[in-house]
Amino acid sequence: GENVEQHPSTLSVQEGDSAVIKCTYSDSASNYFPWYKQELGKGPQLIIDIRSNVGEKKDQRIAVTLNKTAKHFSLHITETQPEDSAVYFCAASTNQAGTALIFGKGTTLSVSS
Amino acid sequence: NAGVTQTPKFRVLKTGQSMTLLCAQDMNHEYMYWYRQDPGMGLRLIHYSVGEGTTAKGEVPDGYNVSRLKKQNFLLGLESAAPSQTSVYFCASSLLRSGDEQYFGPGTRLTVT
Repeated sequence: GENVEQHPSTLSVQEGDSAVIKCTYSDSASNYFPWYKQELGKGPQLIIDIRSNVGEKKDQRIAVTLNKTAKHFSLHITETQPEDSAVYFCAASTNQAGTALIFGKGTTLSVSS
Repeated sequence: NAGVTQTPKFRVLKTGQSMTLLCAQDMNHEYMYWYRQDPGMGLRLIHYSVGEGTTAKGEVPDGYNVSRLKKQNFLLGLESAAPSQTSVYFCASSLLRSGDEQYFGPGTRLTVT
């Protein structure tokens, strides 16, 4: 089955710096790669996703890149702000009927002002 | 819309006791999921359902049972609770399949003593 590895497990940056979180996946059939953000005491929430027919997607300060050949994808946050502090999860799925998302172990991002 | 709701929010059980966690969604989603979240382990899929009357095993199904008798509800049961089942449990739902956005509930914190 699918296995998703996520690095680093913790990341500390200064406000205004960029943050990068990387994930690798094992199943070459996976074609859907979302990123979720979890704030303290809440459930995760989707912030951006990418499908295998594109290499990069951007939404304001966040972007995701995908390298299908190397089977890895990354989340980039620019101009970080204290409210970006949270746990971030990557995930992968083949999007086939009857399958489910497999999540990475998460990255705790701390942005200090 | 309430989205995804979970009952109860907190629960303390003694080893060997049983309980049922209830998840409800009002978005007419086909897919529903149960995850557990432990420190350093990320989100691990316990069981999921691809429609009313169906269930499937996830990554860590042992010690849990589920039922999806109604489309809007997904129940997670612990027949004989063990301390290893101390965790935060999240329910989620998605519209049609794993490639759709998952909406998470607020979580249930379960402690087994």
